Amino acid sequence: GENVEQHPSTLSVQEGDSAVIKCTYSDSASNYFPWYKQELGKRPQLIIDIRSNVGEKKDQRIAVTLNKTAKHFSLHITETQPEDSAVYFCAAAETSGSRLTFGEGTQLTVNP
Amino acid sequence: NAGVMQNPRHLVRRRGQEARLRCSPMKGHSHVYWYRQLPEEGLKFMVYLQKENIIDESGMPKERFSAEFPKEGPSILRIQQVVRGDSAAYFCASSHGRAGYNEQFFGPGTRLTVL
Repeated sequence: GENVEQHPSTLSVQEGDSAVIKCTYSDSASNYFPWYKQELGKRPQLIIDIRSNVGEKKDQRIAVTLNKTAKHFSLHITETQPEDSAVYFCAAAETSGSRLTFGEGTQLTVNP
Repeated sequence: NAGVMQNPRHLVRRRGQEARLRCSPMKGHSHVYWYRQLPEEGLKFMVYLQKENIIDESGMPKERFSAEFPKEGPSILRIQQVVRGDSAAYFCASSHGRAGYNEQFFGPGTRLTVL
């Protein structure tokens, strides 16, 4: 089955700096890669996703890149703000599959 | 348009009791997924259901756990004879179609505490 590894587990940045979170996956059949943000005690919420026919996708301060050959994908947040502080999860899914396989999460702290 | 609803939000059970967790998907969604999240860990897939059918239950323990999604009413995750290790947050998600094609929308979760 699919295995997703996520690094780092914790990340602390100063407000205005960039943050990068990296994930690797094991199953070459995976072709859908969403990122979720989870604030303390809240539900996970999708912030951006990418499919394997695309190498990069951007939405305002958030971007995701995908390297299918190396089986890794990354989340980039620019101009970080304190409200970006949360746990971020990457995930992978096969188009014909039945589940999302999640990484273990990254606790991002943005210091004012 | 209401999102995914889960109840109860918090559930306390003593060891050996039964826990019933309910999930109402978003309107128009017929695909439901259950995930378990242990403290400070990621979400682990448990089961995937469509109306009246279990499609994939490979992430669910074979004993004490069961799930259903009847034609009418919410999806139910049932845990019999709970043990302390069952304490976790249980999230339900729904989507318009299968995981790889469609966004999964998560409910607020049920936080189960086993005393």
